[in-house]
Amino acid sequence: KAGVTQTPRYLIKTRGQQVTLSCSPISGHRSVSWYQQTPGQGLQFLFEYFSETQRNKGNFPGRFSGRQFSNSRSEMNVSTLELGDSALYLCASSPQGVGREKLFFGSGTQLSVL
Amino acid sequence: AQSVAQPEDQVNVAEGNPLTVKCTYSVSGNPYLFWYVQYPNRGLQFLLKYITGDNLVKGSYGFEAEFNKSQTSFHLKKPSALVSDSALYFCAVRPSIYNQGGKLIFGQGTELSVKP
Repeated sequence: KAGVTQTPRYLIKTRGQQVTLSCSPISGHRSVSWYQQTPGQGLQFLFEYFSETQRNKGNFPGRFSGRQFSNSRSEMNVSTLELGDSALYLCASSPQGVGREKLFFGSGTQLSVL
Repeated sequence: AQSVAQPEDQVNVAEGNPLTVKCTYSVSGNPYLFWYVQYPNRGLQFLLKYITGDNLVKGSYGFEAEFNKSQTSFHLKKPSALVSDSALYFCAVRPSIYNQGGKLIFGQGTELSVKP
């Protein structure tokens, strides 16, 4: 099975722009979670989607949003980018049933905001 | 509030020696505990989990972790370190609230360096 795929791998944007990141989960996984990783704040949970519905949400401003499609692929969007949004954005998928506690992570999208 | 602490930013070990990466947690109810490893420019990889049962949990690549409820700790261990074990290690807890699925609270990470 192919792993979790995140595109693009690298992004450079300027302040005020918006950005969309994409995540394709492992085939059969219906849950997709997003995390932000920075040297200062570490790994922080953004949100989780399951069957096209947001199931959980972290403590991020409304500029951060996401969605999930019927094929379980997910996108996250950040509007009005700020310098502090520079980070590695990680997506993770998980199966249902046995082993559902285990998250499978993609390699991430490195976002740089100039 | 639920939290995870990794008291050491860095752990240095000689190859062949045992290694321990420390983790303490604070949760309400029974914890779901995890260890993940991150290699440079990669996402996180699952190592092991504790949900219930034996306090000693065995995982991938020869790693194991000991759950200690009285000390609220979940230290990661390996009897004999390899240079290839050098990476960033994260302890995590899943909030013990129904339907928290993919939401994990991570520690700050511990950089493990194994020297030949």
